[in-house]
Amino acid sequence: NAGVTQTPKFRVLKTGQSMTLLCAQDMNHEYMYWYRQDPGMGLRLIHYSVGEGTTAKGEVPDGYNVSRLKKQNFLLGLESAAPSQTSVYFCASSYLRGASYEQYFGPGTRLTVT
Amino acid sequence: DAKTTQPNSMESNEEEPVHLPCNHSTISGTDYIHWYRQLPSQGPEYVIHGLTSNVNNRMASLAIAEDRKSSTLILHRATLRDAAVYYCILRDGGSARQLTFGSGTQLTVLP
Repeated sequence: NAGVTQTPKFRVLKTGQSMTLLCAQDMNHEYMYWYRQDPGMGLRLIHYSVGEGTTAKGEVPDGYNVSRLKKQNFLLGLESAAPSQTSVYFCASSYLRGASYEQYFGPGTRLTVT
Repeated sequence: DAKTTQPNSMESNEEEPVHLPCNHSTISGTDYIHWYRQLPSQGPEYVIHGLTSNVNNRMASLAIAEDRKSSTLILHRATLRDAAVYYCILRDGGSARQLTFGSGTQLTVLP
């Protein structure tokens, strides 16, 4: 049981380049989330998904797009990377929405945009 | 989600108990109290959660004040592996969605 995995672990992009971050979970969770964490700060929600084929905006969605074509995968895309998107990106999943359900996090992707 | 207040940092000696406080004076009746921790260079990890009663699990205990305006995460015997940032988070039972992270408490464990 791998839990939540993220690909890649590290990436350096030039301004204007695009890339896709992949998140996969093998726990059959309905809910999946993408967060970003800037140095010395807590995590902030970018986008989330409540099930296959559905996505919604979080707190900081600008500059990102997401897709959930399969229940186990949640993709985060940067169409035109900017230095302000330099951050560590974490994916998470949970069984159901609800205050009593914990979220499981991946190990993170460290992205640098130059 | 209602706000929480935690000390920026705390220190503990190895193998001693650690009490990490959290104030949440504006908590509502449907808010659950969650604790997560983040070890260096890792994603956050669930620790424990509760609503009204004290809770215990293999990692920690959660003590919730009778008026629910504060709570304390208790690590019974700190180890060097427990050095992390600990986040106290309130989640509305009716509409919980994302976790809203504050800046947490940086716990340093001294050998």
